[in-house]
Amino acid sequence: AQTVTQSQPEMSVQEAETVTLSCTYDTSESDYYLFWYKQPPSRQMILVIRQEAYKQQNATENRFSVNFQKAAKSFSLKISDSQLGDAAMYFCAYRRVQGGSEKLVFGKGTKLTVNP
Amino acid sequence: DSGVTQTPKHLITATGQRVTLRCSPRSGDLSVYWYQQSLDQGLQFLIQYYNGEERAKGNILERFSAQQFPDLHSELNLSSLELGDSALYFCASSVVAGALGYGYTFGSGTRLTVV
Repeated sequence: AQTVTQSQPEMSVQEAETVTLSCTYDTSESDYYLFWYKQPPSRQMILVIRQEAYKQQNATENRFSVNFQKAAKSFSLKISDSQLGDAAMYFCAYRRVQGGSEKLVFGKGTKLTVNP
Repeated sequence: DSGVTQTPKHLITATGQRVTLRCSPRSGDLSVYWYQQSLDQGLQFLIQYYNGEERAKGNILERFSAQQFPDLHSELNLSSLELGDSALYFCASSVVAGALGYGYTFGSGTRLTVV
């Protein structure tokens, strides 16, 4: 079974500083995809960044980047120059497809607070 | 607006009742997924449909059922409701099953409160 673990229930960061959110996952597959989703107080689930397991290069989207360590099954999210609008729940997710059947498996989330 | 439409946004109902949640996927998306988000369980996958056919089942109770219609909209039916069914129910869609690099696009959810 695929599991996703986010070991930090809550994190805080000062505005303009950098924060890293941790995520580990368990899988026996070699081909899969990983995602970070943001859920602000509005409860909307917003895709932040995605990573393909066969790509060694870490994905980057503006101020958001990942540190993907395939051997260690680690997928951390770094937020640079944190802004007040980054305050939200962040969910790490693993996507596996097999024979047309698929699903996203989510971690339990990390609540990020940004202090002015 | 994500392009995935869920109705209603809020629903309050009594125990033992039945409700139907509706989802219209983003234009062009053939796959629809239903998730339940409760405070203590996080986001739990319920079921996936692809072009009208059920493709995957997760932790969906027997009291719950879903279907996807020819126009690709989907409905999640919850019956014999219990207090513990109170949660935020998300619908998500993706381009096609197998478009692996794409994440899901989520709707804004339906907040169900069972009293």
